[in-house]
Amino acid sequence: AQSVTQLDSQVPVFEEAPVELRCNYSSSVSVYLFWYVQYPNQGLQLLLKYLSGSTLVKGINGFEAEFNKSQTSFHLRKPSVHISDTAEYFCAVNGGGADGLTFGKGTHLIIQP
Amino acid sequence: DVKVTQSSRYLVKRTGEKVFLECVQDMDHENMFWYRQDPGLGLRLIYFSYDVKMKEKGDIPEGYSVSREKKERFSLILESASTNQTSMYLCASSLTPVDEQYFGPGTRLTVT
Repeated sequence: AQSVTQLDSQVPVFEEAPVELRCNYSSSVSVYLFWYVQYPNQGLQLLLKYLSGSTLVKGINGFEAEFNKSQTSFHLRKPSVHISDTAEYFCAVNGGGADGLTFGKGTHLIIQP
Repeated sequence: DVKVTQSSRYLVKRTGEKVFLECVQDMDHENMFWYRQDPGLGLRLIYFSYDVKMKEKGDIPEGYSVSREKKERFSLILESASTNQTSMYLCASSLTPVDEQYFGPGTRLTVT
């Protein structure tokens, strides 16, 4: 079974500073990787996904992530955060099976003015 | 736009009651999922379905059952609600098993 590790449960960052949210997954022959964002009292919304092709994936709201197969990582980055980026971020992986996604425990991004 | 709706945003039930959580998607997706979300634990898969009348157990199926009589509707059933089932419940759907999942807004269930 797949597993996903989000190394930081909480990341405080000053507004307009860069941020990186870390995600590592257990190895598999093929993986499909996702980052979701959850704003307070809402469902999850897709930020970006990696299915194949270029290892640098660009998503919505200025976020991007890089798939690194040798390090089994899929870290999320944004060069300059805004107060509206305050939310919970989830990394998820599908190993090609029919049982959908395995999620990490989430990282709470806190933007400080 | 894909839309996934859940029957209630907030629900309060008593211990021992039978609880139905309904989920409907409007994009003709084959695959539907039920998760529960708890602080510090992320999302955990309860059940999923890849076709009408088909269901598979996820990681934490105990105390739950599901029903999928129509393609667009996937129901989660708590046969006898217990306080440890107090949680946020999220429904999702996807076109294929490896595609992105589209989530509903969630149902926050409190069992007293």
